[in-house]
Order: sequence, then C-alpha cells, then structure tokens
Amino acid sequence: QVQLVQSGAEVKKPGSSVKVSCKASGGSFTSYTINWVRQAPGQGLEWMGRIIAIVDLPKYAPKFQGRVAITADKSRSTVYLELTRLRSDDTAVYYCASEGGYWGQGTLVTASS
Amino acid sequence: QAVVTQEPSLTVSPGGTVTFTCGSSTGTVTSGHYPYWFQQKPGQAPRTLIYDVAERHSSTPARFSGSLLGGKAALTLSGAQPEDEAEYYCLLSYNGDWVFGGGTKLTVL
Repeated sequence: QVQLVQSGAEVKKPGSSVKVSCKASGGSFTSYTINWVRQAPGQGLEWMGRIIAIVDLPKYAPKFQGRVAITADKSRSTVYLELTRLRSDDTAVYYCASEGGYWGQGTLVTASS
Repeated sequence: QAVVTQEPSLTVSPGGTVTFTCGSSTGTVTSGHYPYWFQQKPGQAPRTLIYDVAERHSSTPARFSGSLLGGKAALTLSGAQPEDEAEYYCLLSYNGDWVFGGGTKLTVL
C-alpha cells in the first residue's frame, strides 16, 4: 500500500516562494505518477500538475504554468512542488496524490504579510 | 479546459439510496476518463472511494459503487449511514490532466 507523507505547514510573505515535499513509500517510486492538488479555504479541489517519476516528466495546469515547478528525487523517493511569486489567494492546503487514489495528509501554506 | 459538473447538493434518508453524477463539458464520460470519486469531511484530506469507474479503494465500504450511467460517471450509495454526510468530489482525467467537479454536499436526514 502506497503511503505519501508531506512536509509541514509553511507561512510565507507574498511575492516569495514555497517548496512542499511528498515522500512516497510502499511501492516502486519510479512507477508513480504523483499529482499536486490544492484546496483554498472553503473551496473545492484544484489540480495543479503532475510528474511521471519514471521519466521525470512534469505537466502543469495552464493556470499555474510559469509559476509552478514539480520535481522528483528518485534517491529520496520524494516529489516536490515549488510555487513562486506567492499571492494571498495561494493560501490553501496542498495535497499530493498518486494515480490509484492515495493521498498525502496535506500541507497548509499561508501567504500573508 | 474541460468543465466537470456535479449536483451542488443531495439529501438522502438514513438507509436510503442516492446517486451522484459527474458530467463532462466535452461530451460523454467514458472509461478513458478513469473517473474517481472522493469523500471529504471537514478538516480532513480527501478519501478515495472509487477509481477507474468502479474499482473500490482499500477500505471503501461495499455500499458505495461506481458506474457509467447516461453519458456520465455515477456514484451510488445504497443504505446511507449518518457518517456518510460529507462532500463528494468526482475527478475525470483528460489525457492524464485531472479536472475536478465542484463537489456535492450530501446531507443524511
């Protein structure tokens, strides 16, 4: 069974960047496709992008293109989401989720001055 | 980008049956959209109930089932329990890009 464990909560200033990690266990990391999903307070789920670990190939939702980077470190079985030029409306819980429906516990990112 | 539509809210009586639907702005939902269904309760991460149309995730109760129905993906809850009161989201995959529906708030009353 796949387990995804995310890094802890972050508080960042608008205009700065944040990097959230998602460590996978319980399977073969290189067989994973890991997606990043966020949920703003009181809102629904929003897909940000994914990475196919075996070929290290990311794909981003158009809304986030140019502001997001998803990378994978095979040696650490860890996927990273970096979001730059943070705005206050980026305040949300960020989740990693695998194909097959396994979810991380979520990471609250607060963008506030 | 495609838009995925769900009922904003549904109500079911305890022990009753309710069906959620998930439509696509691009047309008929097929198995090639690999429909997922998630349950989310306040303050919790989403929990996967169904993937690939009708596959139950580990620990998904048998009262939840998935299907394709009338050009949409569907989630049927048979024998609703009070603990099933939650928000339910569907997800469709468009060539690997995920698009979520807006969610359906289920009330068990």
